[in-house]
Amino acid sequence: GQSLEQPSEVTAVEGAIVQINCTYQTSGFYGLSWYQQHDGGAPTFLSYNGLDGLEETGRFSSFLSRSDSYGYLLLQELQMKDSASYFCAVNTGFQKLVFGTGTRLLVSP
Amino acid sequence: DAGVIQSPRHEVTEMGQEVTLRCKPISGHDYLFWYRQTMMRGLELLIYFNNNVPIDDSGMPEDRFSAKMPNASFSTLKIQPSEPRDSAVYFCASRTADITLHFGNGTRLTVT
Repeated sequence: GQSLEQPSEVTAVEGAIVQINCTYQTSGFYGLSWYQQHDGGAPTFLSYNGLDGLEETGRFSSFLSRSDSYGYLLLQELQMKDSASYFCAVNTGFQKLVFGTGTRLLVSP
Repeated sequence: DAGVIQSPRHEVTEMGQEVTLRCKPISGHDYLFWYRQTMMRGLELLIYFNNNVPIDDSGMPEDRFSAKMPNASFSTLKIQPSEPRDSAVYFCASRTADITLHFGNGTRLTVT
């Protein structure tokens, strides 16, 4: 079976740094993606790691360790608009993306 | 670019009725995916198409669900007959060979 585990909720204050972890157990692995979803909205792509290491895109960074079946999304200089749900997703091969359970991030003033 | 367009945005129907959800992918995208999102099960892949051909429908919950893609710019997901447990947000997404999925705004389905 496929399983992707994330914390259900994380809280932080504006300006802080927060890390959202993702551990996975899947039948195939070709890369880890991160998506953001605001309440009532559609998931939107944030980042992708095909190889081990850190990928940086502005205030957001994503890390992957394939040997540990682990990745994380790092959000810096948090803003109120970052309050949303964040999903990790594994490309299991055959063009399929399997999504994690999602982490709800609450940013307070 | 208009993005992925889904209709309707909201659908309320009674148990036993037929429901049809529609999707227009981004022009030039040759992969189209249907996902369902619920609190209990998260985002589940139902079916995906490549060049209008269904490739993997292993996520379709049962025979009441069917999906078609008659051409590169249109796909439907049909539920017949609908049941209360089908209540969810249904997302259509498309992409090219690149791994990035572009989602539509979803259809919120409520079956009473």
